[in-house]
Amino acid sequence: KNQVEQSPQSLIILEGKNCTLQCNYTVSPFSNLRWYKQDTGRGPVSLTIMTFSENTKSNGRYTATLDADTKQSSLHITASQLSDSASYICVVSERLTGGGNKLTFGTGTQLKVEL
Amino acid sequence: EAQVTQNPRYLITVTGKKLTVTCSQNMNHEYMSWYRQDPGLGLRQIYYSMNVEVTDKGDVPEGYKVSRKEKRNFPLILESPSPNQTSLYFCASSLGSAASTEAFFGQGTRLTVV
Repeated sequence: KNQVEQSPQSLIILEGKNCTLQCNYTVSPFSNLRWYKQDTGRGPVSLTIMTFSENTKSNGRYTATLDADTKQSSLHITASQLSDSASYICVVSERLTGGGNKLTFGTGTQLKVEL
Repeated sequence: EAQVTQNPRYLITVTGKKLTVTCSQNMNHEYMSWYRQDPGLGLRQIYYSMNVEVTDKGDVPEGYKVSRKEKRNFPLILESPSPNQTSLYFCASSLGSAASTEAFFGQGTRLTVV
């Protein structure tokens, strides 16, 4: 069964500090891996999308890495801000034999940035 | 502004009373889908549509119906809601279902069935 597991489940850091969130997956055949940010009560917003051949991708203070061999990804947040407080969701796309892709969502890491 | 719009944002209803949650996108996207999000679980796909008049079941379709008569609209219908359908629902759209197409999500509809 395809699964996406994220750790830690929750995290509290001080403003200005860096943090790294982890994602392990068993989805196969792999198509791409996405990181989303979901503010409380809002829909997820895409941060990065990485295909098999990409091992790092940045979006401002967010940097995602992908190791397709070990099926692991991380999201590094640099110089955190209060507005980074949100749930970060790892999503892995499975390539379907008939064409198209199916998304499997992790349960998210709840990040809280404090003063 | 490019967006996916869901209505209503919040809904409380009683068991068995039919309801419809609307979803509309203004990006001319072909692919649309519905998800539900429950505590401790990742988003799970209910139904998806690859184009007008083409819909298919996702992982948790029981108790739901959808239709895609126009490209921009993809309503979610609960014919006879039950308390286990209390959840946060998201509609999403993308240009297609290809690997690198970004999915855009609506703001969510919080449904409570009593």
